[in-house]
Amino acid sequence: AQKVTQAQTEISVVEKEDVTLDCVYETRDTTYYLFWYKQPPSGELVFLIRRNSFDEQNEISGRYSWNFQKSTSSFNFTITASQVVDSAVYFCALSGPRGTASKLTFGTGTRLQVTL
Amino acid sequence: GAVVSQHPSRVICKSGTSVKIECRSLDFQATTMFWYRQFPKQSLMLMATSNEGSKATYEQGVEKDKFLINHASLTLSTLTVTSAHPEDSSFYICSAPQGAELFFGEGSRLTVL
Repeated sequence: AQKVTQAQTEISVVEKEDVTLDCVYETRDTTYYLFWYKQPPSGELVFLIRRNSFDEQNEISGRYSWNFQKSTSSFNFTITASQVVDSAVYFCALSGPRGTASKLTFGTGTRLQVTL
Repeated sequence: GAVVSQHPSRVICKSGTSVKIECRSLDFQATTMFWYRQFPKQSLMLMATSNEGSKATYEQGVEKDKFLINHASLTLSTLTVTSAHPEDSSFYICSAPQGAELFFGEGSRLTVL
């Protein structure tokens, strides 16, 4: 069975601080995809990144960066110089062997609060 | 990019009534769609996989007679919550794949009084 663990339930930081959201996953599939989504208070899911299990390169997109370590089954997400607009719930998710076009297993989410 | 639209975005109904939520792929065809449920401050849990032209596949613990899913066309899947009760109040969100991409609807917030 697949499982995604986001141990941090809630994180509170002051604006401009860096913050890392942890994600650990379990799967028996050899091919899979990992995702991060942002869910603002309005509820819609905002896609942030998809990472193929074969691609362990870290990725940076603006203030966002992701550290994928297959050896520890982790896919952590760092926001640099956090802003109030980053306040949201962030979900890590895992898909099965069919790739992205399949159902996702979500973690329990990490609520990030960025204050002035 | 591809868009998935849900309607209604919010619905309030009385206990015992049925509510239909639509999920449409606006500019692509989707033979499969996924329905998730999210209770307040909780994660998204997959309820069922909607298959065009055939029966939906429900996850363990989801009552198929209560949550009716119809995928009548390649661009529309509907979720009907039958005889809704306050415990069915939740955020329902659908997703549809297009190629290697997965697109989510905006979600539908159901409140049962």
